[in-house]
Amino acid sequence: AQSVAQPEDQVNVAEGNPLTVKCTYSVSGNPYLFWYVQYPNRGLQFLLKYITGDNLVKGSYGFEAEFNKSQTSFHLKKPSALVSDSALYFCAVNSGGANNLFFGTGTRLTVIP
Amino acid sequence: DAGVIQSPRHEVTEMGQEVTLRCKPISGHDYLFWYRQTMMRGLELLIYFNNNVPIDDSGMPEDRFSAKMPNASFSTLKIQPSEPRDSAVYFCASSTTGAGNQPQHFGDGTRLSIL
Repeated sequence: AQSVAQPEDQVNVAEGNPLTVKCTYSVSGNPYLFWYVQYPNRGLQFLLKYITGDNLVKGSYGFEAEFNKSQTSFHLKKPSALVSDSALYFCAVNSGGANNLFFGTGTRLTVIP
Repeated sequence: DAGVIQSPRHEVTEMGQEVTLRCKPISGHDYLFWYRQTMMRGLELLIYFNNNVPIDDSGMPEDRFSAKMPNASFSTLKIQPSEPRDSAVYFCASSTTGAGNQPQHFGDGTRLSIL
């Protein structure tokens, strides 16, 4: 069975500080991992993905994520948060060969000016 | 490049009425997904299609829900009869062929309110 856990419903960070949004996963087989962002009244937007290769993946808007196989984690990071980064963030996973994604419950990020 | 287009953006109707949600996927995408998002249950996959054929409809909550994809550029999700507990935001997403390694592209959703 595949699953994703986002242990924090809410993350608050001051503008300019680094941010981390946590994600752990469980799959049988090699994981394909994704991060999405959702702004109010909008659909989910793709940020970045890990399929294979370098454990540090860079994506849109200065975000990056680190794949850690031993800890089954894929945390989203950004060195310096912007107020405009405030949004709902979703981690998603599938195992190689599957075509449907399993989404976490989402983490609401608030960047405080 | 046009993204996934959903219509209507908002729908308010009374309990018992038929509701039809529409989706136009990105041209060239072979997979189409329907999701439902609520505060209580988060994001739920309802059904997905590959090359217009339904592959997995195990997420469809009950027989009142049905989905079709008559061609590569159009899909509908129908609820008949509608109930207040169907109130949610419904998203359509599409992706290219691949072994699950391609991102899904989401529309902006239909916010459905059943009174």
